Amino acid sequence: GESVGLHLPTLSVQEGDNSIINCAYSNSASDYFIWYKQESGKGPQFIIDIRSNMDKRQGQRVTVLLNKTVKHLSLQIAATQPGDSAVYFCAELIGGAGSYQLTFGKGTKLSVIP
Amino acid sequence: SAVISQKPSRDICQRGTSLTIQCQVDSQVTMMFWYRQQPGQSLTLIATANQGSEATYESGFVIDKFPISRPNLTFSTLTVSNMSPEDSSIYLCSARQSNQPQHFGDGTRLSIL
Repeated sequence: GESVGLHLPTLSVQEGDNSIINCAYSNSASDYFIWYKQESGKGPQFIIDIRSNMDKRQGQRVTVLLNKTVKHLSLQIAATQPGDSAVYFCAELIGGAGSYQLTFGKGTKLSVIP
Repeated sequence: SAVISQKPSRDICQRGTSLTIQCQVDSQVTMMFWYRQQPGQSLTLIATANQGSEATYESGFVIDKFPISRPNLTFSTLTVSNMSPEDSSIYLCSARQSNQPQHFGDGTRLSIL
Protein backbone atom coordinates (compact mmCIF):
# COMPACT_ATOMS: atom_id res chain seq x y z
CA GLY A 1 0.00 0.00 0.00
CA GLU A 2 0.97 3.62 -0.23
CA SER A 3 2.98 4.95 2.66
CA VAL A 4 5.11 7.73 4.00
CA GLY A 5 8.77 6.99 4.61
CA LEU A 6 12.07 8.60 5.43
CA HIS A 7 15.41 8.41 3.65
CA LEU A 8 17.63 8.54 6.75
CA PRO A 9 16.83 6.94 10.10
CA THR A 10 19.54 8.87 12.01
CA LEU A 11 21.22 12.22 11.57
CA SER A 12 24.04 13.77 13.58
CA VAL A 13 24.85 17.45 13.14
CA GLN A 14 27.18 19.91 14.78
CA GLU A 15 25.60 22.60 16.88
CA GLY A 16 25.11 25.70 14.77
CA ASP A 17 24.94 23.83 11.48
CA ASN A 18 21.78 23.46 9.43
CA SER A 19 19.87 20.17 9.49
CA ILE A 20 17.87 18.66 6.67
CA ILE A 21 15.49 15.80 7.31
CA ASN A 22 13.90 14.13 4.31
CA CYS A 23 10.67 12.26 3.74
CA ALA A 24 9.28 10.46 0.71
CA TYR A 25 5.59 9.87 0.20
CA SER A 26 3.91 7.75 -2.40
CA ASN A 27 0.25 8.79 -2.26
CA SER A 28 -0.35 11.44 -4.89
CA ALA A 29 -3.74 12.18 -3.33
CA SER A 30 -2.15 13.53 -0.15
CA ASP A 31 -2.98 17.20 0.22
CA TYR A 32 -1.63 18.10 3.62
CA PHE A 33 1.63 17.32 5.39
CA ILE A 34 2.86 17.88 8.92
CA TRP A 35 6.22 17.64 10.63
CA TYR A 36 6.29 16.59 14.27
CA LYS A 37 9.09 16.60 16.83
CA GLN A 38 9.06 13.98 19.55
CA GLU A 39 11.35 14.31 22.54
CA SER A 40 12.04 11.42 24.85
CA GLY A 41 9.11 10.70 27.12
CA LYS A 42 6.77 13.11 25.36
CA GLY A 43 4.15 13.04 22.66
CA PRO A 44 4.69 14.36 19.13
CA GLN A 45 4.80 18.13 19.01
CA PHE A 46 3.56 20.02 15.96
CA ILE A 47 6.35 21.92 14.19
CA ILE A 48 5.06 23.07 10.84
CA ASP A 49 2.60 22.06 8.15
CA ILE A 50 2.19 22.60 4.44
CA ARG A 51 -0.63 22.13 1.97
CA SER A 52 -0.17 20.62 -1.45
CA ASN A 53 -0.85 23.93 -3.17
CA MET A 54 2.40 25.28 -1.70
CA ASP A 55 6.02 24.28 -2.26
CA LYS A 56 7.62 26.09 0.66
CA ARG A 57 6.64 27.34 4.07
CA GLN A 58 8.79 28.96 6.72
CA GLY A 59 8.51 29.12 10.47
CA GLN A 60 10.87 30.13 13.21
CA ARG A 61 14.21 28.50 12.24
CA VAL A 62 12.36 25.82 10.28
CA THR A 63 11.42 25.54 6.63
CA VAL A 64 9.40 22.82 4.97
CA LEU A 65 9.82 22.15 1.28
CA LEU A 66 7.38 20.12 -0.79
CA ASN A 67 8.28 18.72 -4.19
CA LYS A 68 5.15 17.14 -5.60
CA THR A 69 6.90 16.08 -8.80
CA VAL A 70 9.08 13.58 -6.96
CA LYS A 71 6.78 13.23 -3.94
CA HIS A 72 9.38 14.50 -1.52
CA LEU A 73 9.11 16.51 1.66
CA SER A 74 11.95 17.99 3.69
CA LEU A 75 12.37 19.82 6.97
CA GLN A 76 15.23 22.25 7.28
CA ILE A 77 16.33 23.46 10.70
CA ALA A 78 18.61 26.48 10.72
CA ALA A 79 21.38 26.89 13.29
CA THR A 80 20.63 23.60 14.98
CA GLN A 81 20.68 23.70 18.77
CA PRO A 82 21.03 20.94 21.39
CA GLY A 83 17.33 21.38 22.16
CA ASP A 84 16.55 20.25 18.61
CA SER A 85 17.73 16.72 19.46
CA ALA A 86 14.65 14.53 19.04
CA VAL A 87 12.92 12.17 16.65
CA TYR A 88 11.23 13.91 13.75
CA PHE A 89 8.22 12.44 11.98
CA CYS A 90 6.58 13.49 8.76
CA ALA A 91 2.90 12.72 8.42
CA GLU A 92 0.46 12.98 5.57
CA LEU A 93 -3.24 13.56 5.69
CA ILE A 94 -5.52 11.90 3.20
CA GLY A 95 -9.24 12.32 2.88
CA GLY A 96 -12.02 14.84 2.77
CA ALA A 97 -14.14 16.60 5.30
CA GLY A 98 -15.18 14.47 8.23
CA SER A 99 -13.11 11.47 7.24
CA TYR A 100 -9.33 11.42 7.04
CA GLN A 101 -6.33 9.67 8.44
CA LEU A 102 -2.96 10.98 9.52
CA THR A 103 -0.28 8.48 8.43
CA PHE A 104 3.18 8.73 9.95
CA GLY A 105 6.59 8.02 8.50
CA LYS A 106 9.15 5.95 10.36
CA GLY A 107 10.97 8.85 11.97
CA THR A 108 14.48 10.32 11.91
CA LYS A 109 16.50 10.69 15.07
CA LEU A 110 18.38 13.97 15.10
CA SER A 111 21.40 14.19 17.42
CA VAL A 112 23.07 17.56 17.90
CA ILE A 113 26.75 17.48 18.79
CA PRO A 114 27.70 20.35 21.12
CA SER B 1 -3.56 24.98 20.18
CA ALA B 2 -5.41 22.39 22.24
CA VAL B 3 -3.72 21.08 25.37
CA ILE B 4 -4.21 17.34 25.78
CA SER B 5 -3.80 15.62 29.14
CA GLN B 6 -3.62 11.89 29.61
CA LYS B 7 -3.67 9.79 32.72
CA PRO B 8 -2.14 7.70 33.94
CA SER B 9 1.19 8.72 32.43
CA ARG B 10 2.52 5.23 33.03
CA ASP B 11 1.46 1.96 34.60
CA ILE B 12 2.65 -1.56 35.17
CA CYS B 13 -0.10 -4.14 34.98
CA GLN B 14 -0.57 -7.84 35.39
CA ARG B 15 -1.50 -9.91 32.37
CA GLY B 16 -5.20 -10.62 32.03
CA THR B 17 -6.23 -7.33 33.63
CA SER B 18 -7.63 -4.25 31.93
CA LEU B 19 -6.61 -0.59 32.12
CA THR B 20 -8.57 2.49 31.15
CA ILE B 21 -6.65 5.52 29.91
CA GLN B 22 -8.29 8.91 30.12
CA CYS B 23 -7.79 11.82 27.75
CA GLN B 24 -8.94 15.35 28.49
CA VAL B 25 -8.71 18.25 26.03
CA ASP B 26 -8.86 21.82 27.28
CA SER B 27 -11.25 22.89 24.52
CA GLN B 28 -13.95 21.34 22.41
CA VAL B 29 -12.54 19.48 19.44
CA THR B 30 -14.11 17.95 16.39
CA MET B 31 -12.11 14.76 16.32
CA MET B 32 -10.21 12.63 18.80
CA PHE B 33 -7.95 9.69 18.06
CA TRP B 34 -6.01 6.96 19.82
CA TYR B 35 -2.60 5.82 18.61
CA ARG B 36 -0.14 3.16 19.68
CA GLN B 37 3.62 3.59 19.52
CA GLN B 38 6.00 0.75 20.16
CA PRO B 39 9.33 1.90 21.66
CA GLY B 40 11.59 3.31 18.97
CA GLN B 41 8.92 3.07 16.31
CA SER B 42 6.35 5.21 14.58
CA LEU B 43 2.72 5.82 15.48
CA THR B 44 -0.10 3.54 14.42
CA LEU B 45 -3.72 4.67 14.51
CA ILE B 46 -5.92 2.44 16.64
CA ALA B 47 -9.24 4.20 16.16
CA THR B 48 -11.12 7.45 15.76
CA ALA B 49 -13.21 8.25 18.82
CA ASN B 50 -16.59 9.51 17.64
CA GLN B 51 -18.70 11.64 19.94
CA GLY B 52 -22.03 9.99 20.58
CA SER B 53 -21.40 6.91 18.47
CA GLU B 54 -19.14 3.88 18.24
CA ALA B 55 -15.49 4.41 17.50
CA THR B 56 -14.10 3.68 14.04
CA TYR B 57 -11.33 1.09 14.29
CA GLU B 58 -8.40 0.60 11.96
CA SER B 59 -7.43 -2.76 10.53
CA GLY B 60 -5.97 -5.00 13.20
CA PHE B 61 -7.76 -3.35 16.10
CA VAL B 62 -11.13 -4.46 17.48
CA ILE B 63 -13.63 -3.03 19.91
CA ASP B 64 -13.53 -6.00 22.26
CA LYS B 65 -9.82 -5.48 22.84
CA PHE B 66 -9.75 -1.67 22.77
CA PRO B 67 -13.15 -0.30 23.79
CA ILE B 68 -13.33 3.48 23.43
CA SER B 69 -15.72 6.01 24.83
CA ARG B 70 -16.26 9.64 23.91
CA PRO B 71 -19.12 11.07 25.94
CA ASN B 72 -18.51 14.70 24.92
CA LEU B 73 -16.32 16.96 22.79
CA THR B 74 -13.47 17.21 25.30
CA PHE B 75 -13.04 13.74 26.79
CA SER B 76 -12.31 10.19 25.68
CA THR B 77 -11.18 6.92 27.22
CA LEU B 78 -9.34 3.94 25.80
CA THR B 79 -9.45 0.61 27.60
CA VAL B 80 -6.82 -2.03 26.93
CA SER B 81 -8.58 -5.26 27.81
CA ASN B 82 -7.26 -8.65 28.90
CA MET B 83 -3.70 -7.41 28.62
CA SER B 84 -0.76 -9.51 27.52
CA PRO B 85 2.94 -8.59 27.29
CA GLU B 86 2.41 -7.81 23.60
CA ASP B 87 0.25 -4.85 24.64
CA SER B 88 3.22 -3.16 26.28
CA SER B 89 3.47 0.10 24.41
CA ILE B 90 2.87 3.82 24.51
CA TYR B 91 -0.74 4.83 23.96
CA LEU B 92 -1.29 8.35 22.68
CA CYS B 93 -4.41 10.47 22.58
CA SER B 94 -4.71 13.02 19.79
CA ALA B 95 -7.21 15.70 18.91
CA ARG B 96 -8.00 17.98 16.05
CA GLN B 97 -10.31 20.90 15.59
CA SER B 98 -11.54 21.71 12.10
CA ASN B 99 -8.86 23.31 9.91
CA GLN B 100 -6.30 23.09 12.71
CA PRO B 101 -3.23 20.86 13.03
CA GLN B 102 -3.60 17.65 14.98
CA HIS B 103 -2.08 17.66 18.46
CA PHE B 104 -1.02 14.91 20.84
CA GLY B 105 -0.89 14.18 24.53
CA ASP B 106 2.30 12.92 26.14
CA GLY B 107 1.12 9.34 26.13
CA THR B 108 0.59 6.53 28.60
CA ARG B 109 3.52 4.14 28.96
CA LEU B 110 2.11 0.72 29.65
CA SER B 111 4.09 -2.33 30.72
CA ILE B 112 2.47 -5.72 31.20
CA LEU B 113 4.15 -8.34 33.32
